[in-house]
Amino acid sequence: EVQLVQSGAEVKKPGESLKISCKGSGYKFSDFWITWVRQMPGKGLEWMGIIYVGDAHARYGPSFQGQVTISVDGSINTAYLHWSSLKASDTATYYCARMQGGSLSWTFDHWGQGTLVTVSS
Amino acid sequence: SSELTQGPAVSVALGQTVRITCQGDTLGTYYASWYQQRPGQAPIVVISGQNIRASGIPDRFSGSRSGITASLTITGAQAEDEADYYCSSRDDFGIHLFGGGTKLTVL
Repeated sequence: EVQLVQSGAEVKKPGESLKISCKGSGYKFSDFWITWVRQMPGKGLEWMGIIYVGDAHARYGPSFQGQVTISVDGSINTAYLHWSSLKASDTATYYCARMQGGSLSWTFDHWGQGTLVTVSS
Repeated sequence: SSELTQGPAVSVALGQTVRITCQGDTLGTYYASWYQQRPGQAPIVVISGQNIRASGIPDRFSGSRSGITASLTITGAQAEDEADYYCSSRDDFGIHLFGGGTKLTVL
């Protein structure tokens, strides 16, 4: 069974750093992409970026380029989302998801349970 | 930059048919995927590609595309279908995007 299990909720202060994780199991982790999605309170889904586990090549959405870093450790089947300096506006639930597909059709077919990040002074 | 546009809300009477649409230039090339998100839960994929239902999704859900508009149709809506629905796709640069979401109410 494919599973993505995310790290637990975090409460941080503005300016602090944070790395949250997403561990995959039940499939060959290195053969797929992992994406990160933000959902601010009461709002819709926003695509943040994506990483191909096989070569750790990451791509970011325009709003998130330079704001976060997506990385992966294929040896432990885990992807990460990292902030070097959090802002209050980073308060949101963050989801990881596996992407599969090719050519003209791509889909996020399995999702983690979400990690709530609260940034408050 | 590319955008996907969805109506904010739609309602349907129990057992009736409802269509949720998603419009964007990229849909003229790339297929949309559709996701259902119930309150407090992670999204799940409902439809991908050329009308491929995800595992466990009832056959009352179907997808289609015409021009730059993708549609998700629920034929015989049930109370458990009440949720937020999001479309997603990608552009030519490998940037993915979501529509703003449509809140479905089943009356």
